[in-house]
Amino acid sequence: NAGVTQTPKFQVLKTGQSMTLQCAQDMNHEYMSWYRQDPGMGLRLIHYSVGAGITDQGEVPNGYNVSRSTTEDFPLRLLSAAPSQTSVYFCASSYRRLAGVREQFFGPGTRLTVL
Amino acid sequence: LAKTTQPISMDSYEGQEVNITCSHNNIATNDYITWYQQFPSQGPRFIIQGYKTKVTNEVASLFIPADRKSSTLSLPRVSLSDTAVYYCLVGDMQGGGNKLTFGTGTQLKVEL
Repeated sequence: NAGVTQTPKFQVLKTGQSMTLQCAQDMNHEYMSWYRQDPGMGLRLIHYSVGAGITDQGEVPNGYNVSRSTTEDFPLRLLSAAPSQTSVYFCASSYRRLAGVREQFFGPGTRLTVL
Repeated sequence: LAKTTQPISMDSYEGQEVNITCSHNNIATNDYITWYQQFPSQGPRFIIQGYKTKVTNEVASLFIPADRKSSTLSLPRVSLSDTAVYYCLVGDMQGGGNKLTFGTGTQLKVEL
């Protein structure tokens, strides 16, 4: 198993550009999520999904879109990049249990810089 | 939202036991408490999860009092490689238990 994979590892964008961060998992996990982590800070939830075709907002969703067409993939789209979106982005996946989420597996992260 | 509060930083020496406490006053009935470890430039890694009383695995113990308004992660005999940020999470039932929020974490520094 590759676990959770993220591409690209590094990306530099100019203000106003759009791009998609890719996330894939091969563990057949129902639950997937995107977090951002600013320097010296904790992780903040952007969007999450409890299964294919179902997504919902986290605490910082503005400026980002997601879709979940398959169980394996959960791409994150930046619509019009802004310097405030400079951050490290982590994707995570987990089995969805009856009483909440158990262990989340995190990808290696994508380091995004917006100039 | 079930928010958590942890100390910003802690220092310890190799071989000592380290206890990191997390406060979560608004924890909901069905919420679980989960702890993660994060090294620089890496994604967080699951350490332990519990609902009440005590849970132990090969790397840590988790103590949860009866009121569940706090929890304590215990790391026995820490080493230099345990230097990391430790996060306490509580499941948020507003999102069906799936809207998990990380707090600011505790930076643990272990010295010789």
